[in-house]
Amino acid sequence: EDQVTQSPEALRLQEGESSSLNCSYTVSGLRGLFWYRQDPGKGPEFLFTLYSAGEEKEKERLKATLTKKESFLHITAPKPEDSATYLCAVQNSNYQLIWGAGTKLIIKP
Amino acid sequence: EPEVTQTPSHQVTQMGQEVILRCVPISNHLYFYWYRQILGQKVEFLVSFYNNEISEKSEIFDDQFSVERPDGSNFTLKIRSTKLEDSAMYFCASRSDSSYNSPLHFGNGTRLTVT
Repeated sequence: EDQVTQSPEALRLQEGESSSLNCSYTVSGLRGLFWYRQDPGKGPEFLFTLYSAGEEKEKERLKATLTKKESFLHITAPKPEDSATYLCAVQNSNYQLIWGAGTKLIIKP
Repeated sequence: EPEVTQTPSHQVTQMGQEVILRCVPISNHLYFYWYRQILGQKVEFLVSFYNNEISEKSEIFDDQFSVERPDGSNFTLKIRSTKLEDSAMYFCASRSDSSYNSPLHFGNGTRLTVT
């Protein structure tokens, strides 16, 4: 069964304290792994797509990496405005998206 | 930047009533979706729609649900007889094509409260 697990469920960091969020997956025929950011009361906002192991994407303080079993979202020197829930979704060979439960990131000033 | 718009932002209804949630997808997109998210839980797929017909639906999308694209811009989700457990955020999404390099773009959702 296709499955996506995100950890930790919640992460509190001080401003400037770098860390990583994890998304581990088992899926039949990976057709892309997507990272989204979701602010309270809003829809998910697209960040990155990764297609194959070894691929990396960067946007401002965020960097996403992919292996055959997991993806990491690295956040470098975060600011309070980076506080949000970060969602990972994996697309299988049928182009179905399987979503993780998200990591709630809180950056304290 | 083009965006998906949803109305209303909040809908309160009584159990057993019909509701219609409205969405305007990004204009050049071809694939349309409805998802829901119960407070504090995962995003759940409801239905996908392409070329004026449903292409896929989940177990959640039973006979009480229907979708329609009544004109060239709107995409609606109807719940015929709402239940308490239908209370959730409902998100509309669209994408330009079905290839794996095309991300979903989401609206900001409709919060449905069934009392």
